[in-house]
Amino acid sequence: DIQMTQSPSSLSASVGDRVTITCQASQDISNYLNWYQQKPGKAPKLLIYDASNLETGVPSRFSGSGSGTDFTFTISSLQPEDIATYYCQQYDNLPGFGPGTKVDIK
Amino acid sequence: QVQLQESGPGLVKPSQTLSLTCTVSGGSISSGSYYWSWIRQPAGKGLEWIGRIYTSGSTNYNPSLKSRVTISVDTSKNQFSLKLSSVTAADTAVYYCARGNYYDSSGYYLDYFDYWGQGTLVTVSS
Repeated sequence: DIQMTQSPSSLSASVGDRVTITCQASQDISNYLNWYQQKPGKAPKLLIYDASNLETGVPSRFSGSGSGTDFTFTISSLQPEDIATYYCQQYDNLPGFGPGTKVDIK
Repeated sequence: QVQLQESGPGLVKPSQTLSLTCTVSGGSISSGSYYWSWIRQPAGKGLEWIGRIYTSGSTNYNPSLKSRVTISVDTSKNQFSLKLSSVTAADTAVYYCARGNYYDSSGYYLDYFDYWGQGTLVTVSS
């Protein structure tokens, strides 16, 4: 069973700040990792697939990197509409999600 | 544009079986490299993958729920369904259906949830 951790669990940042979230897998998952954004009361939305590929229509301020066990998700310039919880999800075997990182505006 | 819509009772009694259906529109449930999943989220908590069914009919389940879960598909109605037996208050959650989009060729593998339903709240209470 692959366990996913994320840090931090929550963060506050100012508009325009660079925001970085890390996701760690309990074993090597190659680049089998996706990132989702979930706004309150809404279903999650795919942002990044295959660790670093931007889903069509997603703003370029979002990016992802990493492979193996350590992954990073970055918002290059935080916007008010980016307030949400972000989840990593591995698909090395059966799908599994990280615990999430809640992003707020300072 | 593919759309998914969950339906089913919003209240289930403890020890009974939770039953939900997801209706897919804008595309055939039996075409393409897709599988169909259920994912849940207790209030204020994270996402938990429940299981999936491929267009072939094969299924995979979360090991923590496997003994209680059945996912089935009705291609004639473009629907797939979830049954979760012996529910307790811990099964209270928003339940989402989602499409898994996968690609597997020459060692290159992609797999992600690209379409989701809006979610339906199921409360387990007497």
